Amino acid sequence: QVQLQESGPGLVKPSETLSLSCNVSGGSITSYSWSWIRQSPGRGLEWIAYIYYSGSPKYNPSLKSRVSISVDTSKNQFSLKLNSVTAADTAVYYCARSPRWCSGSSCNPLHFDSWGQGTLVTVSS
Amino acid sequence: DIQMTQSPSSLSASVGDRVTITCRASQGISNDVAWYQQKPGKVPKLLIYAASTLQSGAPSRFSGSGSGTDFTLTISSLQPEDVATYYCQKYYSVPLTFGGGTKVEIK
Repeated sequence: QVQLQESGPGLVKPSETLSLSCNVSGGSITSYSWSWIRQSPGRGLEWIAYIYYSGSPKYNPSLKSRVSISVDTSKNQFSLKLNSVTAADTAVYYCARSPRWCSGSSCNPLHFDSWGQGTLVTVSS
Repeated sequence: DIQMTQSPSSLSASVGDRVTITCRASQGISNDVAWYQQKPGKVPKLLIYAASTLQSGAPSRFSGSGSGTDFTLTISSLQPEDVATYYCQKYYSVPLTFGGGTKVEIK
């Protein structure tokens, strides 16, 4: 059974870059799409980005100018970078897995069927 | 962007009651909807995908229906362990978006 585990600093200073990694165990990272999702009290669940090991990542337009997602197949992990953070970026950050559906050469992620435990990131000086 | 409007935002019902939560998409999204249950302090858990397919391991008292713009999650007989917040989510197109959540409590 696949397991996802987030890691990274729990405290980030305003204007700096938030960096998180998600380690995937119990399954290959090449078989699914992988997302970052966050949850803060004021904004509920917010999808940030997804990536497949090949192809272009997709980003939430509301964060696209500040976010980057990448995958390292050799380590079976994927990562998130969010720059120029403010207090509004304080949230629990989850990594999650999605099966994919393909039609011709176009593939899209489906529902989130496995989630990490989440990691709280606080933006504060 | 396609918005997902979920209602009600909260509800209180008695054990054994039938509970219905709705989600409306601002545009048609076929059946590309999932429902999640999040218990207090816990990780969201997938209940339903493709609008009506029960995730393996989810209790059979949960069911989903709908297509196009209107979707429903039903709990046929509310149990104490169903106290949670429920979210719909659409995956028809980017951005992948969640509804605002429905908090379910026991009366």
